[in-house]
Amino acid sequence: EAGVTQSPTHLIKTRGQQATLRCSPISGHTSVYWYQQALGLGLQFLLWYDEGEERNRGNFPPRFSGRQFPNYSSELNVNALELEDSALYLCASSLLVGRGSETQYFGPGTRLLVL
Amino acid sequence: KNEVEQSPQNLTAQEGEFITINCSYSVGISALHWLQQHPGGGIVSLFMLSSGKKKHGRLIATINIQEKHSSLHITASHPRDSAVYICAGFVASGSRLTFGEGTQLTVNP
Repeated sequence: EAGVTQSPTHLIKTRGQQATLRCSPISGHTSVYWYQQALGLGLQFLLWYDEGEERNRGNFPPRFSGRQFPNYSSELNVNALELEDSALYLCASSLLVGRGSETQYFGPGTRLLVL
Repeated sequence: KNEVEQSPQNLTAQEGEFITINCSYSVGISALHWLQQHPGGGIVSLFMLSSGKKKHGRLIATINIQEKHSSLHITASHPRDSAVYICAGFVASGSRLTFGEGTQLTVNP
């Protein structure tokens, strides 16, 4: 069974541009989570999608947005990129709605570098 | 105060040693996840627990709900165990994970 996949693996952008990151969950998983891991900082929760709806978002500005498609894959968009957006962006999926008792399976991440 | 506090930040051990990483968490966290992150960035979920103890191979995770404390133990440590271990709490009210700072473990041969 294929794991969570993310694309691209690396992305280089300049300040002010937009970045689009993609995630495909494990087959059958309906919940997709996005996390940011900036250099030297811990993981931070960004967004949670389930059944096509945004269920929760972390403490990030509105220029971080996304969506979940009918096939449960997801896209994270970051508009008006700033230097501090440079980070590893991780996507995770789980089988059921995030009640805390389900394991989250992580993708390999997308490394975004903003110049 | 962070919702999840992890210690130590760094840990160096000799191959074969018994290792313990600790995690304390705050009220509102209903489940505790232990994650392993390798140098390339990939994260593997090791355990999810809301009570008791779980074991997988040389890894053991325990949780004490009354004390709001969890530990990850590695028996007979090996250099391949070298990684960052992250404790994450599930905040039920927001259906989100909140993460500890991670423990960088280095096991020397």
